[in-house]
Amino acid sequence: DAGVIQSPRHEVTEMGQEVTLRCKPISGHDYLFWYRQTMMRGLELLIYFNNNVPIDDSGMPEDRFSAKMPNASFSTLKIQPSEPRDSAVYFCASSLLGIPYFGPGTRLTVL
Amino acid sequence: AQRVTQPEKLLSVFKGAPVELKCNYSYSGSPELFWYVQYSRQRLQLLLRHISRESIKGFTADLNKGETSFHLKKPFAQEEDSAMYYCALRRGSTLGRLYFGRGTQLTVWP
Repeated sequence: DAGVIQSPRHEVTEMGQEVTLRCKPISGHDYLFWYRQTMMRGLELLIYFNNNVPIDDSGMPEDRFSAKMPNASFSTLKIQPSEPRDSAVYFCASSLLGIPYFGPGTRLTVL
Repeated sequence: AQRVTQPEKLLSVFKGAPVELKCNYSYSGSPELFWYVQYSRQRLQLLLRHISRESIKGFTADLNKGETSFHLKKPFAQEEDSAMYYCALRRGSTLGRLYFGRGTQLTVWP
């Protein structure tokens, strides 16, 4: 298995634009997590799914952020409109039996 | 509520010296503890979990329920150990989210 796959790996956009981050979890994993990593705040959990159902989205900063998991092999995190303070590395992770495996991350820069 | 504290944001040692990265937690139930490592600009990788009680890359960690700690130790640090280390906790009754500490950046000087 190739592990958790994220795309794009790097994204540079301008303030106000819509950004969509994509994640393909490891096949067979039943949990999927979205994290954001910044120097100031460290690693923050944004939202997580179990069997494609959102379980806890209390970490989503505001209405500009939304996440979906239409099927077991795909999830998206959307920011609309984006702001410079959204600049961070966004990690997706998936787990089975309680051990999360992380993707390589998407480095987002909002100008 | 649960909380993971890594008191040192930065830690520097010389090659060959012992290293200990501290992790304290607060949780009233039975936690499951993890250490993850992140090398420069790479993904987080699982290093250890307390249930498996194994040694990975020379690192060990023991869960001390009395002191609510899960410190990561290595007797002889190597330059390639330089990385960010995250301690994480999961509530023992669930398979869901991990609660991460803020991380400790370890630098091993030659």
